[in-house]
Amino acid sequence: QKEVEQNSGPLSVPEGAIASLNCTYSDRVSQSFFWYRQYSGKSPELIMSIYSNGDKEDGRFTAQLNKASQYVSLLIRDSQPSDSATYLCAVNHPTYAGGTSYGKLTFGQGTILTVHP
Amino acid sequence: ETGVTQTPRHLVMGMTNKKSLKCEQHLGHNAMYWYKQSAKKPLELMFVYNFKEQTENNSVPSRFSPECPNSSHLFLHLHTLQPEDSALYLCASSQDGTGFYGYTFGSGTRLTVV
Repeated sequence: QKEVEQNSGPLSVPEGAIASLNCTYSDRVSQSFFWYRQYSGKSPELIMSIYSNGDKEDGRFTAQLNKASQYVSLLIRDSQPSDSATYLCAVNHPTYAGGTSYGKLTFGQGTILTVHP
Repeated sequence: ETGVTQTPRHLVMGMTNKKSLKCEQHLGHNAMYWYKQSAKKPLELMFVYNFKEQTENNSVPSRFSPECPNSSHLFLHLHTLQPEDSALYLCASSQDGTGFYGYTFGSGTRLTVV
């Protein structure tokens, strides 16, 4: 089972619609959750972080977390062509190796979103 | 300079060459990471440095050799690479080793091995 799994894409929505991106994770002790946006040929950019169950809104973006179901989602309202990118779900979970405990950020495979005019 | 800077942006090297990738963070963070991103694959964590001490080597071949002289600088030394090592190499940093608040990524080095 993949540690972080995203809904298969690509996802295509018309301009002005709501884009819904989903992610599940396998490690129940995961502590923090992120959505990154990556434009073609660029590096990932953090757009949302969420730490507790429920919704978190930032402008047109809403992240939702359900730890019991091990599920994270991202909603993009009023989608714009500039939102067209790959969206990466990332999950931070504590890891123990070499006598040291540290956090490890694991990424899903990404969902390609295209917003067409 | 702000954020996380990586040099060079692009690198083409032969299989017998030796080259180094450089990463510098200006955020006052204490943990730094190397990730590899290949086409159609998730980002793969390669190395973790927490307070300049290596805490993870994710089964990376020895032809990749990291170096972290201080909490602000991270290098990836490359030698006798294979064509399948061609990828985008990303450096990232976080406030501390927990990574609780997420990572900030550099712009990456696009590596092509010929």
